[in-house]
Amino acid sequence: KNEVEQSPQNLTAQEGEFITINCSYSVGISALHWLQQHPGGGIVSLFMLSSGKKKHGRLIATINIQEKHSSLHITASHPRDSAVYICAVRSTNTGNQFYFGTGTSLTVIP
Amino acid sequence: KAGVTQTPRYLIKTRGQQVTLSCSPISGHRSVSWYQQTPGQGLQFLFEYFSETQRNKGNFPGRFSGRQFSNSRSEMNVSTLELGDSALYLCASSFGLAGGTPSYEQYFGPGTRLTVT
Repeated sequence: KNEVEQSPQNLTAQEGEFITINCSYSVGISALHWLQQHPGGGIVSLFMLSSGKKKHGRLIATINIQEKHSSLHITASHPRDSAVYICAVRSTNTGNQFYFGTGTSLTVIP
Repeated sequence: KAGVTQTPRYLIKTRGQQVTLSCSPISGHRSVSWYQQTPGQGLQFLFEYFSETQRNKGNFPGRFSGRQFSNSRSEMNVSTLELGDSALYLCASSFGLAGGTPSYEQYFGPGTRLTVT
């Protein structure tokens, strides 16, 4: 049983398209994180959310605590957005474990 | 401000050996967390240290251990290496305890790629 489920697993978009990546979780959380990982391994934290909505440039992240669901939106996608996007939650159960989704591999075609 | 640094970046070890990986957090950060990433299991949480004490731990066997020094630098040790330990090991630092309330944002290092033969 996966504590964090992401969809889709793979996503190909044309440059300029609006993109949505979804994340559902099954545990109580203190925070939800959206991470970006480029080829080569480096991980960057994009957002940390405990409620509501956050925006940074063309990226928007929302969370619905009652429904245990979060979405990451990319507006006006660009080839440099091509990366793996990972949803992660910090659980309030079982010793504050950090659970990760399997990631969404995004390719943006020029 | 310098980012999180990890050494070494690449490492090849033989089954049965032990290995120590090092992580230097961003200056002023007091929490260091360690993660393992493999193609099969994805990212998994190993443990988190804050003020030289292990505060949170994932579901890994006792062969995986760590410590944190008074300057917040952290080391992770894996004893009796197995082929399945081949992975990218990432550390992340945060100002406060990432696994708490409130939760603090984490900054990731570039990782150490360990290959066990």
